[in-house]
Amino acid sequence: DGGITQSPKYLFRKEGQNVTLSCEQNLNHDAMYWYRQDPGQGLRLIYYSQIVNDFQKGDIAEGYSVSREKKESFPLTVTSAQKNPTAFYLCASREQDFSNQPQHFGDGTRLSIL
Amino acid sequence: DAKTTQPPSMDCAEGRAANLPCNHSTISGNEYVYWYRQIHSQGPQYIIHGLKNNETNEMASLIITEDRKSSTLILPHATLRDTAVYYCIVSARMKTSYDKVIFGPGTSLSVIP
Repeated sequence: DGGITQSPKYLFRKEGQNVTLSCEQNLNHDAMYWYRQDPGQGLRLIYYSQIVNDFQKGDIAEGYSVSREKKESFPLTVTSAQKNPTAFYLCASREQDFSNQPQHFGDGTRLSIL
Repeated sequence: DAKTTQPPSMDCAEGRAANLPCNHSTISGNEYVYWYRQIHSQGPQYIIHGLKNNETNEMASLIITEDRKSSTLILPHATLRDTAVYYCIVSARMKTSYDKVIFGPGTSLSVIP
């Protein structure tokens, strides 16, 4: 079945440590997105990529980095510069960024601080 | 800020229709209305979307008013598994720049036995 796979489901970060969240899709979608969700809140955009080898900052990019070396993969690194990383992280993809087709989401990674 | 306004919570009896309203009074002509839902600790699930005509699929119906300033998502026979947070989003596709897809707090729907 086609879909988006995020791993791990749960992740713990120590102070001063960088961690990388994986997002893989086999939907052949050009556009991919990373969101952060805090308890009781909506989703906030961290980074997005309209096409391979290109990505843009979203609303809350500080303390995060991404890469898009392959069409199917869009990993997110939470760096030590992100002072409040505890949140639920969601990856999404879309056929194309400029399309009326909906985004499809993975099941998320929950990141906590040790 | 979100472009839509939804009630924070609603209840619905199991087996009855759930009607979830959404106001989007500043919607522009090229913006679509999308509905997603999120069950606790899972990613949002796409439900339905439309531009100006009413839409129906196997999950739900979407009714958009003629002036497009509001819409209603209808779950015809709510079940306990429909308990979730429902998000109404408006978004346009623009080739020159990314259009923000803003997920506000949504409506928390509780289906009651």
